[in-house]
Amino acid sequence: KAGVTQTPRYLIKTRGQQVTLSCSPISGHRSVSWYQQTPGQGLQFLFEYFSETQRNKGNFPGRFSGRQFSNSRSEMNVSTLELGDSALYLCASTRDRAYQETQYFGPGTRLLVL
Amino acid sequence: AQSVTQPDIHITVSEGASLELRCNYSYGATPYLFWYVQSPGQGLQLLLKYFSGDTLVQGIKGFEAEFKRSQSSFNLRKPSVHWSDAAEYFCAVGAKTSYDKVIFGPGTSLSVIP
Repeated sequence: KAGVTQTPRYLIKTRGQQVTLSCSPISGHRSVSWYQQTPGQGLQFLFEYFSETQRNKGNFPGRFSGRQFSNSRSEMNVSTLELGDSALYLCASTRDRAYQETQYFGPGTRLLVL
Repeated sequence: AQSVTQPDIHITVSEGASLELRCNYSYGATPYLFWYVQSPGQGLQLLLKYFSGDTLVQGIKGFEAEFKRSQSSFNLRKPSVHWSDAAEYFCAVGAKTSYDKVIFGPGTSLSVIP
């Protein structure tokens, strides 16, 4: 079956703009989590969505938001981009929220803010 | 405060040699512990996870990890390293279900000498 897909794979934006990233989970998976990876801060949890509801959010400003659709696809949005938002954004999906479930990651979207 | 440390920034081993990557955590409650591997060709992948029970956990690709509560450690081991194991390895600690609010360590970069 198809893995987790993320679009676009690469993106260049300028400061002040906003951006929307998309994540399509594995078919049948209902939980989607987002992560930011930067050289300085490493991997950081952004938020998790399950059944169209945000279940958890990491320590990020309100400029970072997301949503999940009824087909489990998720989008994250970053408004008023800053240089420090340049990062690899990863999403991951699991079938449900049980701890036994295995998490599968997408290839990521690399965002460069100029 | 919750945190994860990986004392070794970079490790180099010869192919066929044994490997141990160190991970120490600070967590107030019963930790849920994870090891992830990230390589350019494979992206980020969950190697193994510990929630409860047997403190020696088997993962994919021949890896195992041992949870030692008294030492607050969760070291990753492999008896014989293959060149394809060269990658970045991340230890992480989380709570309850489905990887919510997981905290990642800074990572250990593994190089393998043929």
